[in-house]
Amino acid sequence: DVVMTQSPLSLPVTLGQPASISCRSSQSLVHSDGNTYLNWFQQRPGQSPRRLIYKVSNRDSGVPDRFSGSGSGTDFTLKISRVEAEDVGVYYCMQGTHWPRTFGGGTKVEIK
Amino acid sequence: EVQLVQSGAEVKKPGESLKISCKGSGYTFTNYWIGWVRQMPGKGLEWMGSIYPGDSDTRYSPSFQGQVTISADKSISTAYLQWSRLKASDTAMYYCARGISSTDYWGQGTLVTVSS
Repeated sequence: DVVMTQSPLSLPVTLGQPASISCRSSQSLVHSDGNTYLNWFQQRPGQSPRRLIYKVSNRDSGVPDRFSGSGSGTDFTLKISRVEAEDVGVYYCMQGTHWPRTFGGGTKVEIK
Repeated sequence: EVQLVQSGAEVKKPGESLKISCKGSGYTFTNYWIGWVRQMPGKGLEWMGSIYPGDSDTRYSPSFQGQVTISADKSISTAYLQWSRLKASDTAMYYCARGISSTDYWGQGTLVTVSS
């Protein structure tokens, strides 16, 4: 299985400050069709996961533009330009290139 | 509006069988894969497997192969996750989600509690 490694595990952030989450895969996530299927999800407390970013850097409809994704190959990043109170939760990366699909272990974002 | 609506919470005893459901609406059910994701209490997300309702092509994560069965009834736009003999370690929240390389819509989750 492709191992997805996220860091940090916990990310205390001051409101209005930026935050960055790293996700590394044990194999390249470039699919034979040329796409890189790396997704980011947000899970707020008590809620279902919600997709924020797909194919590395494409933001879902309704996702604030303070969220951005970048990276290539095996190294990816989710950035929040200015953290707001509603951003508290756990963030997961997920690869959709290889079977079985696999998630990172999660990064808990909290307000300092 | 795309929706995935899951069946309600279940409380079962070890050794019992269970089948939970995920009903899709607002889109052509047979055109999209449905995946199942486990979240054990206080833990992260784990991909269990996926089914393509159009032809019932099913793929399992090796960790879950033989432990659960994924199926779908396209006539009623519903996917299923079932166990023949539950264990206490199956206690978790189970989510269904639409998509194969990415999952854009998720169900609300079904909490399964297995306890004697």
